[in-house]
Amino acid sequence: DAKTTQPPSMDCAEGRAANLPCNHSTISGNEYVYWYRQIHSQGPQYIIHGLKNNETNEMASLIITEDRKSSTLILPHATLRDTAVYYCIALSPHGSGNTGKLIFGQGTTLQVKP
Amino acid sequence: NAGVMQNPRHLVRRRGQEARLRCSPMKGHSHVYWYRQLPEEGLKFMVYLQKENIIDESGMPKERFSAEFPKEGPSILRIQQVVRGDSAAYFCASSREEGNTIYFGEGSWLTVV
Repeated sequence: DAKTTQPPSMDCAEGRAANLPCNHSTISGNEYVYWYRQIHSQGPQYIIHGLKNNETNEMASLIITEDRKSSTLILPHATLRDTAVYYCIALSPHGSGNTGKLIFGQGTTLQVKP
Repeated sequence: NAGVMQNPRHLVRRRGQEARLRCSPMKGHSHVYWYRQLPEEGLKFMVYLQKENIIDESGMPKERFSAEFPKEGPSILRIQQVVRGDSAAYFCASSREEGNTIYFGEGSWLTVV
C-alpha cells in the first residue's frame, strides 16, 4: 500500500472548518484513501473513505485531487470533541493477495481550541 | 447494531501470568484484526484472522503471543508469561467478508505489574 504523508499537528478554532491534508503521491489506481481518527484513550474511529470522487457523510467530507496524489479531510464545524489524531491511509481492497489490513502512520494531531 | 466488543476493558496481571483478551466482531463480520498500541506510540498491526484461520501474523511477536478465532465464540489474543513491556492497549477490529471498511473496538488495556 502507498505511503502517506501528513503534517504532525494542526490547530483549529472551535466552530471553524478543519482542513486536514494528506499526500499519497505513489497511490495506485485501485487503492482507496481511508481516514480514521483516535480520540485519546479510545479505539480508532472510521470517518470516511474514497477512491476517485469526493465523498461526504455525516461526519466529514473527503476531497481527492484529480490526479489522486493528495486529499483533504474537511470537518465543517469543528468542536472540542473533534480533538484527536487523524490518520490518512491508502489501502488496497481485499483479494489478490491483499489482506486489507490498515497500516497506521503518525497521523495529524488536531487540536480544536475554544 | 452493536459494534466490536472487547473484554476485559482493563486487565492487571503480575509478571509471569497469562493474559487473555477477547473480541466479538460486529454482526456479520468474519474478519478480525488485532493491533497493539504501546504507551505514547502508534498503532501496530499484530494479526489478521478469519474463522478458524490465521491469515497474516506478520506483526505478532515470535514468542508468548498467540491468537485464535474459532468457529464459534469470540477471537482470543493470548499472552503467556507476561512481562512489563507487554503493558499496552490492545485493539480488535473487524470487517465484512467482501468489504474493506474496518471497525475498531474500544480496546483492552493491559497493565503488567
